[in-house]
Amino acid sequence: KNEVEQSPQNLTAQEGEFITINCSYSVGISALHWLQQHPGGGIVSLFMLSSGKKKHGRLIATINIQEKHSSLHITASHPRDSAVYICAVEVGGSQGNLIFGKGTKLSVKP
Amino acid sequence: EPEVTQTPSHQVTQMGQEVILRCVPISNHLYFYWYRQILGQKVEFLVSFYNNEISEKSEIFDDQFSVERPDGSNFTLKIRSTKLEDSAMYFCASRADRAIGGYTFGSGTRLTVV
Repeated sequence: KNEVEQSPQNLTAQEGEFITINCSYSVGISALHWLQQHPGGGIVSLFMLSSGKKKHGRLIATINIQEKHSSLHITASHPRDSAVYICAVEVGGSQGNLIFGKGTKLSVKP
Repeated sequence: EPEVTQTPSHQVTQMGQEVILRCVPISNHLYFYWYRQILGQKVEFLVSFYNNEISEKSEIFDDQFSVERPDGSNFTLKIRSTKLEDSAMYFCASRADRAIGGYTFGSGTRLTVV
């Protein structure tokens, strides 16, 4: 049973396109995180959300707690955005450990 | 920008040998974690550490695993008798505050057991 589901698994876009990656979860959470993993393997934290919406540059993350759903949007995508984007949740009452989704592999073509 | 440093970046070991993976978290962070990612699979939680003790661990973190923060700066993961299935990328992470802080991940140690 997957507690965190992401869609799509793979996404190819043309440079400049608007991109949406979705995440659904089945457990009660205290926060949701969006992470970026580059081909070399390193993981970078993009957003931590417990409600509403956050924006950083061309990235926007939203969460709907009632529907247990979050989206990550990339506006004006660029080839350097190519990476795996991972949704991860902190289960309510835990010590902050994360349950990860399988990730969405994004490839942006010039 | 402060970093979480992991060493070595790649380690190859014989099955049955002990390995120690090292991490230096960000100095003012209070919560420390180890995660692993088997090739082609999702990242999995191993253990969390706070106030000099394990605060939570997963089913994966059995008796062959242990963690230590021996000197206030290093945070180590020891695997006592490695198995082929321990081959994975191991990530250390730290965070300052659970309420408001995101995670900072190290760049990982790729462990290959042969």
